[in-house]
Amino acid sequence: DAGITQSPRHKVTETGTPVTLRCHQTENHRYMYWYRQDPGHGLRLIHYSYGVKDTDKGEVSDGYSVSRSKTEDFLLTLESATSSQTSVYFCAISESISGTSGYEQYFGPGTRLTVT
Amino acid sequence: SQKIEQNSEALNIQEGKTATLTCNYTNYSPAYLQWYRQDPGRGPVFLLLIRENEKEKRKERLKVTFDTTLKQSLFHITASQPADSATYLCALTGANNLFFGTGTRLTVIP
Repeated sequence: DAGITQSPRHKVTETGTPVTLRCHQTENHRYMYWYRQDPGHGLRLIHYSYGVKDTDKGEVSDGYSVSRSKTEDFLLTLESATSSQTSVYFCAISESISGTSGYEQYFGPGTRLTVT
Repeated sequence: SQKIEQNSEALNIQEGKTATLTCNYTNYSPAYLQWYRQDPGRGPVFLLLIRENEKEKRKERLKVTFDTTLKQSLFHITASQPADSATYLCALTGANNLFFGTGTRLTVIP
């Protein structure tokens, strides 16, 4: 999985509790992304980062926050988990977003989150 | 908003035949289009990228076409094998990210 790890791989939590998912890369890629994947919706971007401390919202950012204090780590936080946030979460990295070589994204193994 | 449709949720094909998957999009003019493969329980894996000024791209048994007039990409797997069974996703470039289709689940029958 291109030097990308996600932790935890599985988590069950209760509604209203905070949850933090971690993505760690060893590729030194500038760009990092968090997606969620749900049946019928495909992969949808939550937040992305274009450098340390530089982040921006994606298509489905409500209820989520992110932080990137080091190049290699990108954290996704659900401040107060809801059942609608039950999903599989994928982290991805890329070297570039401008269409030069390295534009493709490499994905981690995913985290299955269940909110009861 | 942009809409990406992949022709069908599932496609079954006999081993040795050519599998053709379709990706259609609306309300958008991407400069690049990518195809990924996803196996159950795993993250997507990048396969091919094609630029808007490229009509066709090949990699081993894979071929991708990109028709910006029809707003369509076709993904072909020639001489298909059971090991090609997976879900295939197309993805279009946005300003700073990718927009993914929901995927087509391909099953190659021995």
